[in-house]
Amino acid sequence: DAKTTQPTSMDCAEGRAANLPCNHSTISGNEYVYWYRQIHSQGPQYIIHGLKNNETNEMASLIITEDRKSSTLILPHATLRDTAVYYCIVRHNNAGNMLTFGGGTRLMVKP
Amino acid sequence: DAGVTQSPTHLIKTRGQQVTLRCSPKSGHDTVSWYQQALGQGPQFIFQYYEEEERQRGNFPDRFSGHQFPNYSSELNVNALLLGDSALYLCASSLSTRILGNTEAFFGQGTRLTVV
Repeated sequence: DAKTTQPTSMDCAEGRAANLPCNHSTISGNEYVYWYRQIHSQGPQYIIHGLKNNETNEMASLIITEDRKSSTLILPHATLRDTAVYYCIVRHNNAGNMLTFGGGTRLMVKP
Repeated sequence: DAGVTQSPTHLIKTRGQQVTLRCSPKSGHDTVSWYQQALGQGPQFIFQYYEEEERQRGNFPDRFSGHQFPNYSSELNVNALLLGDSALYLCASSLSTRILGNTEAFFGQGTRLTVV
């Protein structure tokens, strides 16, 4: 799986949009971008995934650049409960459950 | 609909002992994977089970073994425990389809293992 690079930590004000970047410059054509988050002392939670088109669900939006070398996860109105470590993962959709987690971005949402 | 459930939630073992952790996948899921998460680090893939066989394995020694039952539940066994095996052990389940590939993985809350 392609390696990803994320900032170690970010802060966001409650109610504002949180934009979490991820670089994956070695991504191949059949690899997807997945985002998971892990709230303290809980298991990781799936957020969203995409191949090349932008995606949106009830939790977040995923913006993938045209060259697919980077992406941004957007939490449109961050709440205190969104404080967590966010992991950007690139994997082939036939890779089973073998997710390769990096260090992630520790997002702190502040009042 | 119960999600992924793991037992026990916490466990303390002594060096050299053996431990068995259990996982029930989300209803309808047939694929189970196990991860080890040391304090302050991201989860590391141990292995994946599908159709009662180990399909993929990460960089873990043979002391780590597993099993999947016909009802898709799974066990993780660790022999000859070391202090470094202290970690949060996570189980993830998904639905495997031969055409579409695996769906997203759902994780349990984990079992916190402490080796003393």
